[in-house]
Amino acid sequence: DAGITQSPRYKITETGRQVTLMCHQTWSHSYMFWYRQDLGHGLRLIYYSAAADITDKGEVPDGYVVSRSKTENFPLTLESATRSQTSVYFCASRETEINTGELFFGEGSRLTVL
Amino acid sequence: AQSVTQLDSQVPVFEEAPVELRCNYSSSVSVYLFWYVQYPNQGLQLLLKYLSGSTLVKGINGFEAEFNKSQTSFHLRKPSVHISDTAEYFCAVSQRGYQKVTFGIGTKLQVIP
Repeated sequence: DAGITQSPRYKITETGRQVTLMCHQTWSHSYMFWYRQDLGHGLRLIYYSAAADITDKGEVPDGYVVSRSKTENFPLTLESATRSQTSVYFCASRETEINTGELFFGEGSRLTVL
Repeated sequence: AQSVTQLDSQVPVFEEAPVELRCNYSSSVSVYLFWYVQYPNQGLQLLLKYLSGSTLVKGINGFEAEFNKSQTSFHLRKPSVHISDTAEYFCAVSQRGYQKVTFGIGTKLQVIP
């Protein structure tokens, strides 16, 4: 089915380990986004990408790395996980560059850092 | 800078009663406003959006919202809620020419049978 899929859905890791969260969309949307969702903070933008090989920082980029070698994939890497990065991570995509467009979200990846 | 304030973190309401979820925004320029819904263990889905024109916007599942520029508000309403409306609702804002969408902290709507 067409859509946006995230993997893994659940991940437990330890402080200091590298973790990569995958995001794949089948629509060929230009824009892709990574958000984290935390109680009391709602959704905060980590990074976004306007196209393959074009990425930019959001509100809370520290400790995260992204890449986008192909339009359909937008992985998020925590190079050295910390407990403060325990969160639910959502990937989203948007068809147009115009920010009036609807964001389509994946089901989320719940990450626990021990 | 743009920001969104959702005044209520939780709203309990009886089934078939009306509900209003409040949202206020802050921006120095023209804005685009959105409401998204998140059902348990799912991603967010768009309920409705205001871009321009009529200030009353109708969305899916019987929800509507009214844009009030003077009060910088975009409250979400439904005249009669169902159990299936139990979810978390997020107000969001973006600005012309600005790629980022800023979300509020969310309001959990609990519909009581």
